[in-house]
Amino acid sequence: SQTIHQWPATLVQPVGSPLSLECTVEGTSNPNLYWYRQAAGRGLQLLFYSVGIGQISSEVPQNLSASRPQDRQFILSSKKLLLSDSGFYLCAWKEAGGTDTQYFGPGTRLTVL
Amino acid sequence: QQQVKQSPQSLIVQKGGISIINCAYENTAFDYFPWYQQFPGKGPALLIAIRPDVSEKKEGRFTISFNKSAKQFSLHIMDSQPGDSATYFCAASMFSGGYNKLIFGAGTRLAVHP
Repeated sequence: SQTIHQWPATLVQPVGSPLSLECTVEGTSNPNLYWYRQAAGRGLQLLFYSVGIGQISSEVPQNLSASRPQDRQFILSSKKLLLSDSGFYLCAWKEAGGTDTQYFGPGTRLTVL
Repeated sequence: QQQVKQSPQSLIVQKGGISIINCAYENTAFDYFPWYQQFPGKGPALLIAIRPDVSEKKEGRFTISFNKSAKQFSLHIMDSQPGDSATYFCAASMFSGGYNKLIFGAGTRLAVHP
C-alpha cells in the first residue's frame, strides 16, 4: 500500500531564516506530487505541483520554491522566511494516469516568528 | 469560474441527527467531486467521491447527492456521532494545464454534541 510522509511535523523559525520541508511517498512510482498551504481555519491553497523528476510548476508566485530531486521526493524551500509564510503545509500525491484522487500527508505546522 | 462555494461555515448537530453540507460550482469542466475530512493537526483524508454521471453515492453513513443541472452537490452524514466532529472540505477536480487541478471549498467545521 502507499504511504506518504512529511517532516518535520512542526517547525518554529525566525523571520529571514531558510526553510526546507520534505515529503516522500512509498509504494507507487512516478506519482503526481503537490504542495498545499492551509492558513488557520481556511481552505487549501495549491502552491506547487510536479508530474515528474525536475518538473515543477507554480500556482502562486511567492517566497517559496519546490524541487523534486527523486521520483518520490518533493521538497519545499525558502531562502528567507516571511511572517506570512506561517501555516500548515500539506503534501499530496496522485497516481499518474489513475483516478483523480489526491492523498494527503500528515502536514507540517510552520510558525515564523 | 474555478471557485467552489461551500456552506455553512460551521454546523452544530446533536448526536443521531443528520449533518448536511452544501457546495456549488460554476465550471462545467469539473468532472470529479471528492469530500475530505480533516481532524485538527492532521492532513485531510478522502471520505467519499462522486462523478457527475451519478446522482447519488452512499458509503455507510455518508451520502453524496449530486445535481448536475444546478451545479450543486452535498454531503449528508446520517446518525451523526461525536467522532464525526471535524472540518469537511468539498472539492472539484478537472484536468487543466497538464495536470489534475483540485479546487477546494473553504471548509465546514462540524461539531456533533452528545
